Amino acid sequence: GAVVSQHPSWVICKSGTSVKIECRSLDFQATTMFWYRQFPKQSLMLMATSNEGSKATYEQGVEKDKFLINHASLTLSTLTVTSAHPEDSSFYICSASVTGGLQPQHFGDGTRLSIL
Amino acid sequence: QKEVEQDPGPLSVPEGAIVSLNCTYSNSAFQYFMWYRQYSRKGPELLMYTYSSGNKEDGRFTAQVDKSSKYISLFIRDSQPSDSATYLCAMSARGGYSTLTFGKGTMLLVSP
Repeated sequence: GAVVSQHPSWVICKSGTSVKIECRSLDFQATTMFWYRQFPKQSLMLMATSNEGSKATYEQGVEKDKFLINHASLTLSTLTVTSAHPEDSSFYICSASVTGGLQPQHFGDGTRLSIL
Repeated sequence: QKEVEQDPGPLSVPEGAIVSLNCTYSNSAFQYFMWYRQYSRKGPELLMYTYSSGNKEDGRFTAQVDKSSKYISLFIRDSQPSDSATYLCAMSARGGYSTLTFGKGTMLLVSP
């Protein structure tokens, strides 16, 4: 149980394009989803917290206009990297927490984004 | 001082060894403690989840929490080459729906 699916797993695109990453909780409802960014050999850096039906809360230093987050249902959150540039290349990971709060976060397998 | 300290390693052990991984923290509000395993280019996989102080065992894995010392441990018995990965400790004050604070991760290498 508690499976989180993330898609796509790897995307390569040209500078200036927008990229959408999907995060789905497959077998549970997730009121809260989280988006992280991870650089090589570094730990996870929280970008934003997404609650179903409301605006995401962004961490300090994360541009909300560049990283658009939508959490339209209890099983789906999306992260759109707008007008992506090479410095946005990274490993993006989502996680979800079972509605009710005390259960741990479960992570997707991440999306490797490469901007040429 | 960082909120969570974790030795990045790498920690190299032979197959069959007992592995001890540790984290220390400074925030006494943390009550929920997690260990995640992350293989290269994959998302973290939950191994252990504990609340407050005490021990928890699951197969070859044992998690220990000592809140008085602000110290948590993960023990792996009979380590296998497939255990080679980065192990991340994480903690929060209010459970899974709240923000996690991660350690930097310890890279473990188990040689056959």
